[in-house]
Amino acid sequence: KAGVTQTPRYLIKTRGQQVTLSCSPISGHRSVSWYQQTPGQGLQFLFEYFSETQRNKGNFPGRFSGRQFSNSRSEMNVSTLELGDSALYLCASSLGSSNEKLFFGSGTQLSVL
Amino acid sequence: GEDVEQSLFLSVREGDSSVINCTYTDSSSTYLYWYKQEPGAGLQLLTYIFSNMDMKQDQRLTVLLNKKDKHLSLRIADTQTGDSAIYFCAVFAYSGAGSYQLTFGKGTKLSVIP
Repeated sequence: KAGVTQTPRYLIKTRGQQVTLSCSPISGHRSVSWYQQTPGQGLQFLFEYFSETQRNKGNFPGRFSGRQFSNSRSEMNVSTLELGDSALYLCASSLGSSNEKLFFGSGTQLSVL
Repeated sequence: GEDVEQSLFLSVREGDSSVINCTYTDSSSTYLYWYKQEPGAGLQLLTYIFSNMDMKQDQRLTVLLNKKDKHLSLRIADTQTGDSAIYFCAVFAYSGAGSYQLTFGKGTKLSVIP
């Protein structure tokens, strides 16, 4: 079975721009979660999607949004980029029940200049 | 919300055992996990334990859970240089409004000295 696939692997953007990151979950997995990883804050939960609906949301501003498609693939969008948005963005997929093993992709490294 | 704490660094000699510790705050935690992250990579699920268990062994890995003290540990026997990585403790717990969330510690960087 293929693992979780995230594209692109690296992104360089400038302040004020917007960016879209993509995640393809493991086949059969219906839940996709997104995390932001920075050296200072560690791993912080952004949001989770299950069956095309946002099921859970972390404490991030509205500039961070996401969606999930009918094939469970998910995209995450960040608008009006700030320098502090530079981070590794990790996507994880799971079957979607309440007690879950999450399987992570390799992440998208976003640098905002 | 849930708070998960880990020490930031651990250094051991090759062949010794490594013990990485983690404490958490939410007693309603259901599953507890250990993930490994190598440089430039995502997180790899190493092992997990359900909250009604005290111990789980999986080859060189032993997970101990003290639910009373909300303390979780990961022991790696016969530590190898390939075990050098950052290890994350993660706790799956109820986060309110019918939702569950996985909360991570900041990670323990394990350095194995040859």
